[in-house]
Amino acid sequence: EVQLVESGGGLVQPGGSLRLSCAASGFTFRSYWMSWVRQAPGKGLEWVANIKQDGSEKYYADSVKGRFTTSRDNAKSSLFLEMNSLRAEDTAVYYCARDQPNYGAFDIWGQGTMVTVSS
Amino acid sequence: EIVMTQSPATLSVSPGERATLSCRASRGVGSNLAWYQQKPGQAPRLLIYGVSTRATGFPARFSGSGSGTDFTLTISSLQSEDFAVYYCQQYNNWPQTFGQGTKVEIK
Repeated sequence: EVQLVESGGGLVQPGGSLRLSCAASGFTFRSYWMSWVRQAPGKGLEWVANIKQDGSEKYYADSVKGRFTTSRDNAKSSLFLEMNSLRAEDTAVYYCARDQPNYGAFDIWGQGTMVTVSS
Repeated sequence: EIVMTQSPATLSVSPGERATLSCRASRGVGSNLAWYQQKPGQAPRLLIYGVSTRATGFPARFSGSGSGTDFTLTISSLQSEDFAVYYCQQYNNWPQTFGQGTKVEIK
């Protein structure tokens, strides 16, 4: 079964850091671009970052650029999101998602992990 | 960035009726348009990509159409499991952007 499972969310104070992980299974992880998408409580979807198959290219939304870093370990079929200088507005469910080859939609999503930034 | 505007925000429909959801882009996105379905407490699920190609697992009552800046998702005969929030997404230009969603609720 093709699956993505996020972990690492939690409650963190403003200015703090958190590292999210996403474990992939059921497909050849190293062959796909991967993305992070977030959803603030009761709000819509916002693309956050993505990373090329070999990790050589990474792109970030302006709202997180300079604060968030994405990386991957293809040997362990894992995706990561390092989040620093967290703000209240970063509070959201964070999803990892697989980029659809030859298109650009997200064809597989994890169940999400909640990040709450609050004092 | 391209702004995606969905209408209406909420659509009240009776089971068995037709639902038509709209998505407008602030500039042309070619055929690089997708739709997602999200039910409460669940992750989004890819429904349609390339404007009109249904993703695996979705029945033929779901169809997508449009081009350029105006797109439509049609559900021909709503079933109970179709009540959800639907998002459009453009992936023609960086950054890829989503609409704010249309909630399809039971009338």
